[in-house]
Amino acid sequence: DTAVSQTPKYLVTQMGNDKSIKCEQNLGHDTMYWYKQDSKKFLKIMFSYNNKELIINETVPNRFSPKSPDKAHLNLHINSLELGDSAVYFCASSPSGVPNYGYTFGSGTRLTVV
Amino acid sequence: AQSVTQLDSHVSVSEGTPVLLRCNYSSSYSPSLFWYVQHPNKGLQLLLKYTSAATLVKGINGFEAEFKKSETSFHLTKPSAHMSDAAEYFCVVSGSSNTGKLIFGQGTTLQVKP
Repeated sequence: DTAVSQTPKYLVTQMGNDKSIKCEQNLGHDTMYWYKQDSKKFLKIMFSYNNKELIINETVPNRFSPKSPDKAHLNLHINSLELGDSAVYFCASSPSGVPNYGYTFGSGTRLTVV
Repeated sequence: AQSVTQLDSHVSVSEGTPVLLRCNYSSSYSPSLFWYVQHPNKGLQLLLKYTSAATLVKGINGFEAEFKKSETSFHLTKPSAHMSDAAEYFCVVSGSSNTGKLIFGQGTTLQVKP
């Protein structure tokens, strides 16, 4: 069983479109995250939810809207896609937001905006 | 604020020779430190973590790292490189709050030559 699963794995779309990426974890963790990895492989946190409550919202354009229907799911919706949104998006989870546990990552979603 | 600097963007070794990937950190309190590995087109996997217990930490696949507070370093080593070790390696420090936020270094690409 996959611990943290993201869908889709690849997403190619045109500028201006709206798209969603889904994430689910079956580890029983309380906290989930979205990270963006740019073309230089730098990873930066975007959002974090703990038990469906938003706890981290970094400087991310409001075109990006996370939604957590329950603590096992954290989806990312992106409106009006731009070329600069092209990146790999990683979902991750950890128990109770405890930093010394580390994260379990999904395999990533490669978003290409054309 | 917490930060982490990986001193080499690219390291090249021959198979069977030692690996050293260097990482320095900055933290206003006792940090948790991690090394993650990312193989091409894959997600991130936890190699090892330091959480204020033993300063020499052993991880998976023969990797280990030593926490040196006086040098604010957490270098990753392996006695003998294998071709399968070729990947991107990230040094990571825990953030300043209990939100579970992790701050990633810029990454080091490890190349292993036959």
